[in-house]
Formats: sequence, C-alpha cells, structure tokens
Amino acid sequence: DAGVIQSPRHEVTEMGQEVTLRCKPISGHNSLFWYRQTMMRGLELLIYFNNNVPIDDSGMPEDRFSAKMPNASFSTLKIQPSEPRDSAVYFCASSPSGQGQPQHFGDGTRLSIL
Amino acid sequence: AQSVAQPEDQVNVAEGNPLTVKCTYSVSGNPYLFWYVQYPNRGLQFLLKYITGDNLVKGSYGFEAEFNKSQTSFHLKKPSALVSDSALYFCAVRGYSGTYKYIFGTGTRLKVLA
Repeated sequence: DAGVIQSPRHEVTEMGQEVTLRCKPISGHNSLFWYRQTMMRGLELLIYFNNNVPIDDSGMPEDRFSAKMPNASFSTLKIQPSEPRDSAVYFCASSPSGQGQPQHFGDGTRLSIL
Repeated sequence: AQSVAQPEDQVNVAEGNPLTVKCTYSVSGNPYLFWYVQYPNRGLQFLLKYITGDNLVKGSYGFEAEFNKSQTSFHLKKPSALVSDSALYFCAVRGYSGTYKYIFGTGTRLKVLA
C-alpha cells in the first residue's frame, strides 16, 4: 500500500504568493483530513471531508484558506495570499469509514513563507 | 466540550526501564481512543486503539495502553524502553460534537536515555 502521498514535501515562497498543497489519500478511504502543525499551536484540524464532501471546516483560519476534493483520490489545500504566519507543516490524513478507524498520515508539506 | 490532555510535555526514561505516557480525555458517549507516534520529519503513525472490550490494548512495537473509564484515562505503556522509542507521542479521541472529529492532545516527547 502506497500510503497517503503529499506534494510538495517542501515549499518556500514569498509573502503574497498563492500556495497549493496536494494530497492523494489511500485508495478506498472515504474520509480525508487536513491538519497544520506548529510548535506554538501543536496539531490543528483545518478541515475534513467525507465521501468528497466537506463536513467540518471550522478550523480553517480565514478566507485565505480553501480546500477542495474533486474526486476520491485527490485533494488540495490552497492559501491565497500567503503570509509568514502560515509557515507550518501541513499534514493530510485519510481513514476508512467507521468511527473506530484510525487515520493514516502523509509525511507532510513543510511550508515556509518569507 | 470534548478534549484530550497530555499533562507531560516530556518524559525521560532509562533504556530498559518501563515507560508510561499519560493521557486523559473528556467526551460525550463512548470514546474511541488512539495513540500515535511521530518521528522527526515524518507524519503521525498509528500505534493502537481502544474501541470496546478488554481494557488493556496491545499495539505496535511492544506498546500497550490501559483504558480506565472511571479515571477517564488511556495511558500508553511499554515494559522495557528502547532508545529507538524516542519520539513525539500523541493521544487522540474521536467523539461526537455536532460532527465526528478526532481531537489530538498536545503531544509528549519521550526521551529514552542509553
């Protein structure tokens, strides 16, 4: 099993630029989660999808952040315009259906906004 | 409100000694509890879960966890620590609060000393 695949692994860009993070969940998993991890705030849930539909986006920091899941095998998290405080490691995770199912995490995208 | 607490930021233990990483939770209804481990520059990896049944749950790499309903705790344990167990450990609970969410603790850094 390939696991959750995230790209790019590292992204360095200048303030004001658009950033797009990509995620391919594990095949057959129908829930997908986006998290942000920083030293100050720990691991924060940004948004999660079930069967490609956004269920809870209450963790999205502000309108500059948007997420889509156009099909079961692909999701994006976009930041436009980016700001230095968006610098963090962004993780995507997926899980099968069922409340007791664990999440499987990708190795993250380390984002640095200069 | 649902929550997870990991009261220790760091736990130090000598190699070969038993280790315990503490976790307490607050959730409506029956909890689904999880432990994850994170190594540097990697995503979180699932270790074990409690859904129902036996209060002692065994997981990967020799780890186990004890569910205690009266104390609302789910402490992670290992009889004999290895230097390679040094990592960041997260406790998580999944419960219902409008939508089903995974709530992660702030993490405990385990350092096993040779």
